[in-house]
Amino acid sequence: QVQLHQSGAELAKPDSAVKLSCKASGYIFTTYYISWIKQTTGQALEYIGHINTGSGRTNYNEKFKGKATLTVDKSASTVFMQLSSLTPDDSAVYYCTRRGDLFDYWGQGVMVTVSS
Amino acid sequence: DIQMTQSPSLLSASVGDRVTLNCKASQNIKKNLNWYQQKLGEAPKLLIDYTNNLQTGIPSRFSGSGSGTDYTLTISRLQPEDVATYYCYQYDSGRTFGGGTKLELK
Repeated sequence: QVQLHQSGAELAKPDSAVKLSCKASGYIFTTYYISWIKQTTGQALEYIGHINTGSGRTNYNEKFKGKATLTVDKSASTVFMQLSSLTPDDSAVYYCTRRGDLFDYWGQGVMVTVSS
Repeated sequence: DIQMTQSPSLLSASVGDRVTLNCKASQNIKKNLNWYQQKLGEAPKLLIDYTNNLQTGIPSRFSGSGSGTDYTLTISRLQPEDVATYYCYQYDSGRTFGGGTKLELK
């Protein structure tokens, strides 16, 4: 069965960076894009961007350009998202999802807390 | 950017009720709209894609409709397990979620 398994919760200091991972299983990894979604404690969902897992080509929501960087390790069926120059506004739950539009399968989410 | 507005933000209904959730886009999104259900503490779950295509395993009491800028998710007979927050989402131009409708039991 399709599964997306995300790395564990992160506690980070302002101005630092974190790198989140999303490991896919149960399907041919390079067949589908992987997207990332941000959910704040106010429940709002925001699309961050997606990566073509075959080519590594990325597409970002303008709002997250310069904040998020998506990369892929095809040999490990894993996508990474680095969040840089962290501020308290980056505190949220981050989900990886399969596909660039449909979001048919989701990871369990990872909470990132930015605090000094 | 396309804005998605959901109404109501909070809906209280009784078991067995017919429930209608609304989603309005700021411009024509040509039916490129999905609905997601998020239960407390869980990741969102895809219910319906392309306005009215029910996903495998989703109960038939859920249905979607709409066109242009106005879309609806209907639950024909509300069940206790339907308590959740529901989000619409457009992928016609960019990708935008609505603010959600929280559905609770009366």
